Amino acid sequence: SYVVTQPPSVSVAPGKTARITCGGNNIGSKNVHWYQQKPGQAPVLVIYNDSDRPSGIPERFSGSNSGNTATLTISRVEAGDEADYSCQLWDSTADHRVFGGGTKLTVL
Amino acid sequence: QVQLVESGGGLVKPGGSLRLSCAASGFTFSDYYMSWIRQAPGKGLEWVSYISTSGPTLNYADSVKGRFTISRDNAKNSLHLQMNSLRADDTALYYCAREVVGVGAHYFDFWGQGTLVTVSS
Repeated sequence: SYVVTQPPSVSVAPGKTARITCGGNNIGSKNVHWYQQKPGQAPVLVIYNDSDRPSGIPERFSGSNSGNTATLTISRVEAGDEADYSCQLWDSTADHRVFGGGTKLTVL
Repeated sequence: QVQLVESGGGLVKPGGSLRLSCAASGFTFSDYYMSWIRQAPGKGLEWVSYISTSGPTLNYADSVKGRFTISRDNAKNSLHLQMNSLRADDTALYYCAREVVGVGAHYFDFWGQGTLVTVSS
């Protein structure tokens, strides 16, 4: 089935921009969604359909998707953004929902 | 407000069975697909199974196919996961999640807090 790849970790200084990638074969042809998960908490949807933000999610969170890479961008990073971030998509061939392995964002 | 509350987790021996439940409230349950998603300790998220609004369409991850059965009771706003022939690698926190279905998109907009399943002798 379809495989998506994320870097295990990304580090960024406060106030800077963090970019977390999700790679897959022609992933640009799929809708990619992103979840934030803080320790001991359930995941929270932060981006859906590549670049749409649910209500209540700050504008600092944005997404893009093209070619073989989807990207979650967090601008003006804050200490509270430190969390695991996972991408997810629908593999229409198998009718499976697929998650990336997750990326731990560390705010230095 | 949307609430999803899982129950039924616990400690079970390899080869044993367990039935998880998810009680939904705050939305019209029968209007939504639902999924189970699990997370092994220290690992990433793994989708397990989904069921369509009235249940005729469902699917499973290869890792659980033939061992797990998903079902729903729209009259009782509840989702279930019957887990048989459990193995050590089924040990995980199991989340119930509401699934939004769009054109070419399936994603999870609300999650429960999870119920822990531990498979160990």
